[in-house]
Amino acid sequence: DAGVTQSPTHLIKTRGQQVTLRCSPKSGHDTVSWYQQALGQGPQFIFQYYEEEERQRGNFPDRFSGHQFPNYSSELNVNALLLGDSALYLCASRPPGTGNIQYFGAGTRLSVL
Amino acid sequence: QKEVEQNSGPLSVPEGAIASLNCTYSDRGSQSFFWYRQYSGKSPELIMSIYSNGDKEDGRFTAQLNKASQYVSLLIRDSQPSDSATYLCAVNRGYSTLTFGKGTMLLVSP
Repeated sequence: DAGVTQSPTHLIKTRGQQVTLRCSPKSGHDTVSWYQQALGQGPQFIFQYYEEEERQRGNFPDRFSGHQFPNYSSELNVNALLLGDSALYLCASRPPGTGNIQYFGAGTRLSVL
Repeated sequence: QKEVEQNSGPLSVPEGAIASLNCTYSDRGSQSFFWYRQYSGKSPELIMSIYSNGDKEDGRFTAQLNKASQYVSLLIRDSQPSDSATYLCAVNRGYSTLTFGKGTMLLVSP
């Protein structure tokens, strides 16, 4: 049983560019959340998707957008990249009806130069 | 503002000792509490969840919750060098998202 998978594992971009990160949830999981983790910090919530809709959003600008597909996989898009967007981006999935236990993927390390 | 506070450490303990990690939270409505372990450069791995006051034990790990004091702790017995990692405390209310602390770095010396 595959866990949460994310791609790519590493990415290098320059300021002003756009990036798309991808996530496939664990089998049977229908809710996907995205987090940003800067070096030395805890993960910060970006947004959560359920039934192909954004259900909750953290304190992130509109440059951060996302999508969930009918197979529950999800994308995170970041436009007009800033140096401060350099971080580990984590995807977490949650099965239906089991509280809020979330399982994380390995993450995508984004470096903005 | 919902906050989760942890001592950043590092907390250094010798092999075989008990490591005690602490966490306080500000949202009195918090209902679920989690401890994640994160090795350097890796993603968080869930090690314990606790929902009611008291202790919950799982192998060498014991989570303790005191909602009146808004306090969660994690005890690691017989600490091993492989336990060296950053431990993240996370809380949530209902089905809302997780709010994480900054994590406590644990160093277990042989």
